[in-house]
Amino acid sequence: KAGVTQTPRYLIKTRGQQVTLSCSPISGHRSVSWYQQTPGQGLQFLFEYFSETQRNKGNFPGRFSGRQFSNSRSEMNVSTLELGDSALYLCASSLGGLHQETQYFGPGTRLLVL
Amino acid sequence: GQQLNQSPQSMFIQEGEDVSMNCTSSSIFNTWLWYKQDPGEGPVLLIALYKAGELTSNGRLTAQFGITRKDSFLNISASIPSDVGIYFCAGQRVSGANNLFFGTGTRLTVIP
Repeated sequence: KAGVTQTPRYLIKTRGQQVTLSCSPISGHRSVSWYQQTPGQGLQFLFEYFSETQRNKGNFPGRFSGRQFSNSRSEMNVSTLELGDSALYLCASSLGGLHQETQYFGPGTRLLVL
Repeated sequence: GQQLNQSPQSMFIQEGEDVSMNCTSSSIFNTWLWYKQDPGEGPVLLIALYKAGELTSNGRLTAQFGITRKDSFLNISASIPSDVGIYFCAGQRVSGANNLFFGTGTRLTVIP
């Protein structure tokens, strides 16, 4: 079974631009969560989507948004990019239950904001 | 965001040695997970723990879910060069929220 895939793997943008990242979950998984990883803050939860609805949200500004499609694929968007948004963005998929779910991570999209 | 306290921050060990790392939190978790991350890749799940006191093994890896539900440890026995990487603990709170809280990571270097 194919794992979680993320595209693109690398991205360079400039301040003020916006960016869209894509995540395809493991087949049969209906929940997709997004995380930001930086050297300073580590791995931090952004949000989770299940059945095309945002089910849970971390403590990030409104510039960070996401959506999920009917096939469970998810996108996250960052508008008005700042230098501090440079990070590895990871998505993780799980079956979608809320009890003792195991999340499987994709390889990430490395975003560099100049 | 909240992070779990993970120690040690880094370790340099000789091939064949055993390794131990742990994670503590001020909050209770229902699930503890241990992941390994290689450079430029996403975290890969090593062990999942679902019950306080549970001791689980996966090959040379052994992890335990602390009885207080506020801590966990991971042991690696007889380390080999491919064990090199960053190890993260992650905790999941009560049902109804699928987000993970991650430890700060332990960077392991194995000297052949």
